[in-house]
Amino acid sequence: RKEVEQDPGPFNVPEGATVAFNCTYSNSASQSFFWYRQDCRKEPKLLMSVYSSGNEDGRFTAQLNRASQYISLLIRDSKLSDSATYLCVGQGSGGSYIPTFGRGTSLIVHP
Amino acid sequence: DAGITQSPRHKVTETGTPVTLRCHQTENHRYMYWYRQDPGHGLRLIHYSYGVKDTDKGEVSDGYSVSRSKTEDFLLTLESATSSQTSVYFCAISETGGETSEAFFGQGTRLTVV
Repeated sequence: RKEVEQDPGPFNVPEGATVAFNCTYSNSASQSFFWYRQDCRKEPKLLMSVYSSGNEDGRFTAQLNRASQYISLLIRDSKLSDSATYLCVGQGSGGSYIPTFGRGTSLIVHP
Repeated sequence: DAGITQSPRHKVTETGTPVTLRCHQTENHRYMYWYRQDPGHGLRLIHYSYGVKDTDKGEVSDGYSVSRSKTEDFLLTLESATSSQTSVYFCAISETGGETSEAFFGQGTRLTVV
């Protein structure tokens, strides 16, 4: 079982919709979490960090639930340009801060 | 964008030949990583480095070796390439490897082993 699990999707939503992704992690010792965005045939790029208190950046909100061991990403007012794969990352388990990636969730925003 | 350069960007090689991929950074970051990305598997860690001459294995290290003789360069070598090593390879760097240290990626190397 992978340490970080995501629903691969695809999530197919119309422009303007609100969409949410969850990511579960198996290692309760994981300390830090991030969401990355990856466009087709490109490198992953950091979207936002995830804090216990929640983190909002414009239309994007990330939350961490340590009790249930999941993180979430909420995208409001979806744009066509939001179409991409979103990767969940955990790090900091066992004293190691090596980033561990989920397989990614594909989002397709259509007109 | 973080200064990370991977070379080559594309390579086709024959089974059984050695291949070396290079990752070069201008950020003076301590940690460097090599991942491979395949459909259905996502990004999997091959090897990583936490300093000059300090390296360790990742999840899928069999068939790969690495070297880091300078802070800025991290080399990944396939000693004898196999078709199962056809993949997209990403190098990443992070400043400290600490709790809040996010990773930055190079543009990737698309390797095909025929």
